[in-house]
Amino acid sequence: DGGITQSPKYLFRKEGQNVTLSCEQNLNHDAMYWYRQDPGQGLRLIYYSQIVNDFQKGDIAEGYSVSREKKESFPLTVTSAQKNPTAFYLCASSIMGSRQGTGLGNQPQHFGDGTRLSIL
Amino acid sequence: GENVEQHPSTLSVQEGDSAVIKCTYSDSASNYFPWYKQELGKGPQLIIDIRSNVGEKKDQRIAVTLNKTAKHFSLHITETQPEDSAVYFCAASGGGGADGLTFGKGTHLIIQP
Repeated sequence: DGGITQSPKYLFRKEGQNVTLSCEQNLNHDAMYWYRQDPGQGLRLIYYSQIVNDFQKGDIAEGYSVSREKKESFPLTVTSAQKNPTAFYLCASSIMGSRQGTGLGNQPQHFGDGTRLSIL
Repeated sequence: GENVEQHPSTLSVQEGDSAVIKCTYSDSASNYFPWYKQELGKGPQLIIDIRSNVGEKKDQRIAVTLNKTAKHFSLHITETQPEDSAVYFCAASGGGGADGLTFGKGTHLIIQP
């Protein structure tokens, strides 16, 4: 079954600690995304990547870092600089938009089942 | 950038009745509008989407309408069932930026038996 796998499902962070959330996809998608979801809020974009070894900041990138060394994998690190890390983190992937200027976001995004991060 | 407003935040309907969720967007260049359903503890699942060259799209009990002039789009669910209870998100994109989707804040749909 093709899909997106996020792990772990629950994660706890201590003060001053960096933690890394895993996201793996076997859909052969070029684009991958990380979103943050807070209670009663929509999804806010943290980082996205259109291709291996390249990624761009989204709306709320401060305190987060990513890497894209493989097409299938897009891990997110929540650093100690992120002062309010408690949230539900969602990873998504999509094929690229067409060449005719339709943009990255014009394709359906497929989501994993999230990682819930809490502070100890 | 794009801004998406979604209403209502909570919607309670009797089983078998119809439900309508509305969204407005700000960027007239946006041309792709998906709807997602999210169940508790899960990631959002795409249920239907529409592009700006189409005014309406249906898939069984679900339909989406788009009014480009007014910059709003709506999700219609007919003959609601208990399994329709979830949080629904609208989104918009394609306005020329590379940021991906901009989401509304969600509607908690409650189906009353």
